[in-house]
Amino acid sequence: EAQVTQNPRYLITVTGKKLTVTCSQNMNHEYMSWYRQDPGLGLRQIYYSMNVEVTDKGDVPEGYKVSRKEKRNFPLILESPSPNQTSLYFCASSSVTGTGVSPLHFGNGTRLTVT
Amino acid sequence: SQQGEEDPQALSIQEGENATMNCSYKTSINNLQWYRQNSGRGLVHLILIRSNEREKHSGRLRVTLDTSKKSSSLLITASRAADTASYFCATDADKQAGTALIFGKGTTLSVSS
Repeated sequence: EAQVTQNPRYLITVTGKKLTVTCSQNMNHEYMSWYRQDPGLGLRQIYYSMNVEVTDKGDVPEGYKVSRKEKRNFPLILESPSPNQTSLYFCASSSVTGTGVSPLHFGNGTRLTVT
Repeated sequence: SQQGEEDPQALSIQEGENATMNCSYKTSINNLQWYRQNSGRGLVHLILIRSNEREKHSGRLRVTLDTSKKSSSLLITASRAADTASYFCATDADKQAGTALIFGKGTTLSVSS
């Protein structure tokens, strides 16, 4: 089954404790992206990647890191989480054509709480 | 940054009625996509319309695109309670493939039986 798998689904942590949210897709997609969703702000893009070893900042990259060492994986790293990073996070992937980004496949989300 | 903006923010209708949501964006695009999100879940792709298309249908969904006005609309006909969800438009810029896909803030649709 084609899917994007995020782990964990729920995470509660304390300020400053490094964490990683994993994302894996089994569709051989080139494009992968991380979004955060906050009430009243919609989905905002954190980072995206067009292919292995190619990553770019989205609208809200501060406080986050990503890596794309393999095509299927795109982990999101919070080196020193802060309470303002409490949010619902989504990973998504798609293929890329010459006419733009194809439909995104989303993971089920990770609800992160930083106290 | 470029962003689609949906209108209205919230919409409440009765089952069987039609629901129309609008999206406006700022710069030229390759394509525009609509997504649905059930509460707290991942978004699900509904329909993609390319910049050279004006209208597209998928089941009870009808999407229009007016590039001169930089706007799109999503029409759901004969709505059902199961259509209750948030709906988002997303756009990518008219550049080489490799641009971020930017989402609007969404329209929350509530369909009551």
